[in-house]
Amino acid sequence: DGGITQSPKYLFRKEGQNVTLSCEQNLNHDAMYWYRQDPGQGLRLIYYSQIVNDFQKGDIAEGYSVSREKKESFPLTVTSAQKNPTAFYLCASSMVAGEGDTQYFGPGTRLTVL
Amino acid sequence: QQPVQSPQAVILREGEDAVINCSSSKALYSVHWYRQKHGEAPVFLMILLKGGEQKGHDKISASFNEKKQQSSLYLTASQLSYSGTYFCGTEEETSGSRLTFGEGTQLTVNP
Repeated sequence: DGGITQSPKYLFRKEGQNVTLSCEQNLNHDAMYWYRQDPGQGLRLIYYSQIVNDFQKGDIAEGYSVSREKKESFPLTVTSAQKNPTAFYLCASSMVAGEGDTQYFGPGTRLTVL
Repeated sequence: QQPVQSPQAVILREGEDAVINCSSSKALYSVHWYRQKHGEAPVFLMILLKGGEQKGHDKISASFNEKKQQSSLYLTASQLSYSGTYFCGTEEETSGSRLTFGEGTQLTVNP
């Protein structure tokens, strides 16, 4: 079965700790994206990658970092510099980074910082 | 720039129709519609491309007015399963593959 997996589903961390969220896809998609969603809000783009070893900042990149060493993997690190990290994090991918391409979402990781 | 969705919320009885609107101040290449159930990932519904035709499947369809940079999602003869939050994601002509999402429209279908 092809799809996007995110792990873990729920994550709890203490304030001040860095945490890495996993995103893996076996759809052979070139482009991958990270979004943040707060309660009752829309999705905001954190980072995106159109090709391996390359990525760009989205609208709210401060306090986050990413890497894209493999086509199928796009992990997101939430650093201690992120002032309000508690949120629902969604990873998505699209076949190519071209105009009009559909983005498909993983199941999400709900991060709670205590 | 974030698109504006209206209404923010709508409550229907099963079998009624609804229209959700999405408006942008930027020139758009495409509009993407998603539905999200509480606590789950958004599920892709359809994409409207500049110069493309109105799309639809089953009882859900959408249109894209390129002159006004507006899209509308039409839900006819609503079913209980249609409940959820609907998001439009807009792709600007110069943004490549980036989508900017509206704040969503919460749709509740009651028996």
